[in-house]
Amino acid sequence: SQELEQSPQSLIVQEGKNLTINCTSSKTLYGLYWYKQKYGEGLIFLMMLQKGGEEKSHEKITAKLDEKKQQSSLHITASQPSHAGIYLCGAVNYGGSQGNLIFGKGTKLSVKP
Amino acid sequence: DSGVTQTPKHLITATGQRVTLRCSPRSGDLSVYWYQQSLDQGLQFLIQYYNGEERAKGNILERFSAQQFPDLHSELNLSSLELGDSALYFCASSVAGDNSPLHFGNGTRLTVT
Repeated sequence: SQELEQSPQSLIVQEGKNLTINCTSSKTLYGLYWYKQKYGEGLIFLMMLQKGGEEKSHEKITAKLDEKKQQSSLHITASQPSHAGIYLCGAVNYGGSQGNLIFGKGTKLSVKP
Repeated sequence: DSGVTQTPKHLITATGQRVTLRCSPRSGDLSVYWYQQSLDQGLQFLIQYYNGEERAKGNILERFSAQQFPDLHSELNLSSLELGDSALYFCASSVAGDNSPLHFGNGTRLTVT
């Protein structure tokens, strides 16, 4: 079965600093999704990547899918306290029905003002 | 606000009991998904419905069942509850059962005592 590994598990950065979160898949990715979750709340959809080499940005967050489609990174530029939360990557379950997403265990981000 | 509504927000019940969690998907979304989130297992896919029919099954226990009604709302029934069933249960919806992003509700926190 497919597995997603996220690194680091947790991250504490000073406000204004840049940071990167990685998501590595055990199988080829046919769709990679990034979500953000605030503690005890639902997941908020950030971005979806499908093509090898694809890069998308929204405000200060940029996500990339590598050419081999087995790794994605999420980069935050000039972090702010509002970026704090848990970031999860999700992927279409290899061999499963479309729309059935599996998720990594998340990266907990804290931003110190 | 994702547009996905889950009720109740919190539920506390005793072992051996049965509970029903309710989900109203975003307007226009035909697909509904149920996920369980716990500290040790992370976010686990349980089951998916598309336009009233079961589309995919994940790690759903036999004690758990779900259905999607003609008005597209969905219910997740959990019976013979055990302490280990304590978790955050999320409902998500998407336009179709394809690679369109999932939109999550804020979850139901279930505590089994």
